[in-house]
Amino acid sequence: GQQLNQSPQSMFIQEGEDVSMNCTSSSIFNTWLWYKQDPGEGPVLLIALYKAGELTSNGRLTAQFGITRKDSFLNISASIPSDVGIYFCAGRRGSNYKLTFGKGTLLTVNP
Amino acid sequence: EPEVTQTPSHQVTQMGQEVILRCVPISNHLYFYWYRQILGQKVEFLVSFYNNEISEKSEIFDDQFSVERPDGSNFTLKIRSTKLEDSAMYFCASSESNTIYFGEGSWLTVV
Repeated sequence: GQQLNQSPQSMFIQEGEDVSMNCTSSSIFNTWLWYKQDPGEGPVLLIALYKAGELTSNGRLTAQFGITRKDSFLNISASIPSDVGIYFCAGRRGSNYKLTFGKGTLLTVNP
Repeated sequence: EPEVTQTPSHQVTQMGQEVILRCVPISNHLYFYWYRQILGQKVEFLVSFYNNEISEKSEIFDDQFSVERPDGSNFTLKIRSTKLEDSAMYFCASSESNTIYFGEGSWLTVV
């Protein structure tokens, strides 16, 4: 099946630092989505990317759809304590809208 | 802002019992999904539903599982004869096109 390799698995940073995480795949995806999940809750959509090379920002978050369509990264600038959570990348291929998720990046921000 | 709502938020059931998880997708969305997340693991696709029929399902979605849209607003996941390994958070999701929105999940514990 389709696999997304998400890294790093976890990060422990100081408040104010920038963060970067990425997902790679051996398969081509035509949509990349980034979600944040707080404990006991559902994934909340952060950024959606639909075209190769697309760079999109949402506040302090910036994500890019890789040119090869096999990767994507998410950057968080000037992290704050409420950024704590698990960040998932998800990719979609074909026309059925099914998502394949990465294993997540656990972000801890030390105030 | 429109959201996907799920009930119950938490259910404990005896092994072998049947469980029905309910979802109300976002009203103008046409595609509906169930995903599963075992504690500490990534979100996994179970099934997608469009035009009143299953459009895709994963290998996890065996004969034990079924989905139904009994009326114009609800979308249900039925698990027959639950097993211990069915314990997980079950997320309903819906989409209009490319972007998928998730509910807050139903936490199922099989004992």
